[in-house]
Amino acid sequence: GEDVEQSLFLSVREGDSSVINCTYTDSSSTYLYWYKQEPGAGLQLLTYIFSNMDMKQDQRLTVLLNKKDKHLSLRIADTQTGDSAIYFCAASYGNNRLAFGKGNQVVVIP
Amino acid sequence: EAQVTQNPRYLITVTGKKLTVTCSQNMNHEYMSWYRQDPGLGLRQIYYSMNVEVTDKGDVPEGYKVSRKEKRNFPLILESPSPNQTSLYFCASKRQGARRDYGYTFGSGTRLTVV
Repeated sequence: GEDVEQSLFLSVREGDSSVINCTYTDSSSTYLYWYKQEPGAGLQLLTYIFSNMDMKQDQRLTVLLNKKDKHLSLRIADTQTGDSAIYFCAASYGNNRLAFGKGNQVVVIP
Repeated sequence: EAQVTQNPRYLITVTGKKLTVTCSQNMNHEYMSWYRQDPGLGLRQIYYSMNVEVTDKGDVPEGYKVSRKEKRNFPLILESPSPNQTSLYFCASKRQGARRDYGYTFGSGTRLTVV
């Protein structure tokens, strides 16, 4: 199956950029996702990238994919206090299955 | 509003007492899945269903059962809960698409404590 790894904690000042990194093992993963989980809530799909793309930008979010190194990153520009959350990287495999990383806690300092 | 609804949100039960966590989606999605979230382990898939009457084991199916008699519902059944099933459970659904991926929609979660 797929194995997804990501760093566990990031602290960032409000207004700075945040970068969260993720690696995965299955090169046949077609879609890679970033989900956001706020305290007491479910997972909210932030963005996703198809495996034949290198980059995707959506307002303050930029996703970079290095397929050769199986490395995915999420950059949040102008980080705000509302961005404090746990961010999960996920990779598709098999029958529409998703493998998730353990989550990266982002704390935004005002 | 398009959503995945889980019930209950919180549940405390005793070891061995059968329970069911319900999951319902109103988006006519074919694919549904159950995950559990534990500290330090992230999300792990319990069971999934590609469509009505089609279910399959995920990575951690032991101690759980599911059924998919209707497209909208995918209940998670714990026949004899044990304390190691204390966890945060999420139901998710997804539309099957040939040309693009529509992403997963998650429920708000069910926090289960087995004492």
